[in-house]
Amino acid sequence: QVQLVQSGAEVKKPGSSVKVSCKASGGTFSSSAISWVRQAPAQGLEWMGGIIPLFGTPNYAQKFQGRVTITTDQSTSTAYMELSSLRSEDTAVYYCARGDYIGSRDSWIIDYWGQGTLVTVSS
Amino acid sequence: DIVMTQSPDSLAVSLGERATINCKSSRTVLYSSNNKNYLAWYQQKPGQPPKLLIYWASTRESGVPDRFSGSGSGTDFTLTISSLQAEDVAVYYCQQYYTTPQTFGQGTKVEVK
Repeated sequence: QVQLVQSGAEVKKPGSSVKVSCKASGGTFSSSAISWVRQAPAQGLEWMGGIIPLFGTPNYAQKFQGRVTITTDQSTSTAYMELSSLRSEDTAVYYCARGDYIGSRDSWIIDYWGQGTLVTVSS
Repeated sequence: DIVMTQSPDSLAVSLGERATINCKSSRTVLYSSNNKNYLAWYQQKPGQPPKLLIYWASTRESGVPDRFSGSGSGTDFTLTISSLQAEDVAVYYCQQYYTTPQTFGQGTKVEVK
């Protein structure tokens, strides 16, 4: 059974950065794919980016290009998402989510989610 | 980016009645090489992460009750709950994984009438 355990809640000042971790257990980390999805209060789901650890090259949504960095550490089956230049609109629950890599179209279906990490940006 | 648009934004259905949610993509998510629609449905209850219900537009995830079904192809898709139960009260999202960025619909809130 796959389990994703994320780091704890964070409170950050505007202009600073936050780094959220996501440790996976069960499944095969290297051949899976990790997505980061955020959800602002009372809002919908927003895909930020993803990475297939086997290939190592992340893919980011245009909206977050230049501000987000997604990395993985295969030795510890941990994924990281760092978001910089934080503003109040970045206050949200950040989820990591994984899926098995699908060779066709270099895609994946998100089938497991972390518990979410609340990031609050406030002066 | 592929834009996913759901309708309605919310609906209230009596217990035991059918609930139908529509999802339209701005471009096809049907891959002609394998004839698969790269479309998933998720259920999210308050305070919880989303849960995968349906993938490949119509394949039910293991453990998901058979009252949930998905249909459609190309750009138009439907999630149907054949007989609404109290535990189905949630927000439902469609998502395309045809291309990155993977994108979600805005969500449809299902309540009991």
